[in-house]
Amino acid sequence: DAKTTQPPSMDCAEGRAANLPCNHSTISGNEYVYWYRQIHSQGPQYIIHGLKNNETNEMASLIITEDRKSSTLILPHATLRDTAVYYCIVRVAGGSQGNLIFGKGTKLSVKP
Amino acid sequence: EAGVVQSPRYKIIEKKQPVAFWCNPISGHNTLYWYLQNLGQGPELLIRYENEEAVDDSQLPKDRFSAERLKGVDSTLKIQPAELGDSAVYLCASSRRVDTEAFFGQGTRLTVV
Repeated sequence: DAKTTQPPSMDCAEGRAANLPCNHSTISGNEYVYWYRQIHSQGPQYIIHGLKNNETNEMASLIITEDRKSSTLILPHATLRDTAVYYCIVRVAGGSQGNLIFGKGTKLSVKP
Repeated sequence: EAGVVQSPRYKIIEKKQPVAFWCNPISGHNTLYWYLQNLGQGPELLIRYENEEAVDDSQLPKDRFSAERLKGVDSTLKIQPAELGDSAVYLCASSRRVDTEAFFGQGTRLTVV
């Protein structure tokens, strides 16, 4: 079973920041937080991942709380092409338990 | 660099018929996954390979599903016989190692009639 809780849907205005929350209150010390997204009729796409520190790449920023029980994915300037289902996944680093287990995700709708 | 390639893109078969899906992972990727995705749901893991070894097939319905990854590169997922409930998108993904990010193919949409 997925170890994360996400809102089923969110709306965001084009050009504004999209902040997608994720709760993972049972996360273990050796588990990373991964974010993927899935645009309609495509396979999931890797966005970003982190362990403790905040992370940023060309796609997004990941903010992880100090207690690591929740995180937020930030798309700084959302565009219509960011409309997708966003999955937050907790994953053990290394070993045989490193499977990606998807939940239902958050359906983000970016509106003009 | 080419991504994960899956074929066919779409497949329609009658129930009780066999079907096979093919996946070519990214070159150099040792880990290969097969997922099943029903409409409105997240992908569900069926099997994970490390090179040619199936290290986690606990979610694979072995009475009708089988998979192989000969020589640790391409992989095939087979269903025999197919049932109406098998209609779904079958996704293949690969990663350099099990603890690195996975890249997904576009999937094969199976319709069983």
